[in-house]
Amino acid sequence: DAKTTQPPSMDCAEGRAANLPCNHSTISGNEYVYWYRQIHSQGPQYIIHGLKNNETNEMASLIITEDRKSSTLILPHATLRDTAVYYCIVRPPNTGNQFYFGTGTSLTVIP
Amino acid sequence: DAEITQSPRHKITETGRQVTLACHQTWNHNNMFWYRQDLGHGLRLIHYSYGVHDTNKGEVSDGYSVSRSNTEDLPLTLESAASSQTSVYFCASRKGLNTEAFFGQGTRLTVV
Repeated sequence: DAKTTQPPSMDCAEGRAANLPCNHSTISGNEYVYWYRQIHSQGPQYIIHGLKNNETNEMASLIITEDRKSSTLILPHATLRDTAVYYCIVRPPNTGNQFYFGTGTSLTVIP
Repeated sequence: DAEITQSPRHKITETGRQVTLACHQTWNHNNMFWYRQDLGHGLRLIHYSYGVHDTNKGEVSDGYSVSRSNTEDLPLTLESAASSQTSVYFCASRKGLNTEAFFGQGTRLTVV
């Protein structure tokens, strides 16, 4: 299975960059890496996704290593509102369009 | 704007009752999904659908059913509610592979 490994928790100072790592060493060649976050008990919120190249949008940047075995989500200037659980998701092989969630990283932004 | 909505947002029901949670999306997405999330845990897939009249079992489908009679709606039914089904339920939809999924705000269900 294409599984992901993330640290269970991280802290980040407000205003600093938050770098959230994800290991997906069994990812297949044509699978995207997706990042979502969940603030408190709200519905998961899409952040970004990518295949090979680094991606950036208004929320974050996604850096994918050349061998695609790991990636890092970067929140460039973390705010208190970025405190959430962040999920890195890779589709397992031979599955359809559904997402399977792991336990994610609980990010706490400290004032 | 297109959206995905769940109703009700909160519900309390008794053990043994049949309960239906509604999910409605206006993106015209073919793919819809139901998840449950228990305190301190990640989301687990219950059922999913790739289109009208298509339904599939997920990781934790026992005690749940879904039906897809149109593109916009995927209601989730608990045939005989049990206390173990007390949870927060999230619905999601997605256009297709390699696209993002959008999630509803959740339904908090308590079975007493």
